[in-house]
Amino acid sequence: DAGVTQSPTHLIKTRGQQVTLRCSPKSGHDTVSWYQQALGQGPQFIFQYYEEEERQRGNFPDRFSGHQFPNYSSELNVNALLLGDSALYLCASSLGGYQPQHFGDGTRLSIL
Amino acid sequence: GDSVTQMEGPVTLSEEAFLTINCTYTATGYPSLFWYVQYPGEGLQLLLKATKADDKGSNKGFEATYRKETTSFHLEKGSVQVSDSAVYFCALSVNTDKLIFGTGTRLQVFP
Repeated sequence: DAGVTQSPTHLIKTRGQQVTLRCSPKSGHDTVSWYQQALGQGPQFIFQYYEEEERQRGNFPDRFSGHQFPNYSSELNVNALLLGDSALYLCASSLGGYQPQHFGDGTRLSIL
Repeated sequence: GDSVTQMEGPVTLSEEAFLTINCTYTATGYPSLFWYVQYPGEGLQLLLKATKADDKGSNKGFEATYRKETTSFHLEKGSVQVSDSAVYFCALSVNTDKLIFGTGTRLQVFP
């Protein structure tokens, strides 16, 4: 039973570039949430996707966008990267929006 | 708004010592409460949860009781091991599965 998988594991970008992060949810899960975890901080909710629609959104600018595919996998896109976007990006999945959520190991994004 | 406050770390203990990590919350509704653990280089793992007042969540020797009167959900373990060294996050959700996390508490256990 595969858990939540994220790719890539690490990524290095420069300011102004765009990045796409990918997430495959745990088998049987249909809801995907994305979180940003800055160094030494707790994760912050970015948004959640259910039935290919953004269902909830946290306090993040429009530079952060996402998508969910019919197979429930999801992408997080960040445009016009800033130094402050350097963080661990975590994907979490759940069934029908109910707890508990299962987290992947994250993608470490570094902006130079 | 809804928020979680955790004690600052690191918490440094000797093996077999008693552990308490404090967590208090502010919520407009009736939250569910969680403790997650993050080992180095890994994502978050759910450690335990409680969904209503006076519930006690427990797992792997860790316990936490949902105290509505003090808006607290303190994590305890009677005898820690070196393998418990990690960062512990207290979190809440209110009416959705969006999680609001505290800043985390690093636990270091020495032999």
